[in-house]
Amino acid sequence: QLVLTQSPSASASLGASVKLTCTLSSGHSDYAIAWHQQQPEKGPRYLMKVNSDGSHSKGDGIPDRFSGSSSGAERYLTISSLQSEDEADYYCQTWGTGIEFGGGTKLTVL
Amino acid sequence: EVQLVESGGGLVQPGGSLRLSCAASGFTFSSYWMHWVRQAPGKGLVWVSRINSDGSSTSYADSVKGRFTISRDNAKNTLYLQMNSLRAEDTAVYYCARDSTADRYFDYWGQGTLVTVSS
Repeated sequence: QLVLTQSPSASASLGASVKLTCTLSSGHSDYAIAWHQQQPEKGPRYLMKVNSDGSHSKGDGIPDRFSGSSSGAERYLTISSLQSEDEADYYCQTWGTGIEFGGGTKLTVL
Repeated sequence: EVQLVESGGGLVQPGGSLRLSCAASGFTFSSYWMHWVRQAPGKGLVWVSRINSDGSSTSYADSVKGRFTISRDNAKNTLYLQMNSLRAEDTAVYYCARDSTADRYFDYWGQGTLVTVSS
């Protein structure tokens, strides 16, 4: 069964960097995922697609501060030079026979 | 600029019906698969349904199969979700989202419309 696992919460200081993790279930380590950001009271926004080889392709207008990478079954979203507007929920999403989302990580910028 | 604008949400009694619309602009609507995704209050995102570019193929989450119908009018650049036999657990913000085409991820989202099922 295709399942994505995310930590419920993360925090980092203004101006620092943070790395969020999305873990694919066993047997699905070669799957690509997409990262989406949801700021408070807003609709989601596509950030990037991250492939199993670590290559990624970002959505329109996504700043260079956002980057993606991979290691085994883990897919990462790294945000550098954290800004207050980065405080949001971050969801990973993948696709196979169905479309699945991770439970989301709530990022707090201190 | 790609825009997706949902409408049609509101308060409906259990067992009732509602039709959501998503007006698309800024891209060639007829070339893209489209999806509905929902988010219950305080919860995460859940995929609901998808339709291919010409409307000939649809797919649904098990939780809504047989009750919801996705459709589109490419002449009007509009996506629809007909929701029947609504239940309390259908209460959520409903988002329309554009399929990336290359893969089944969403590259543009709307702002959502709230559906509340309650007596």
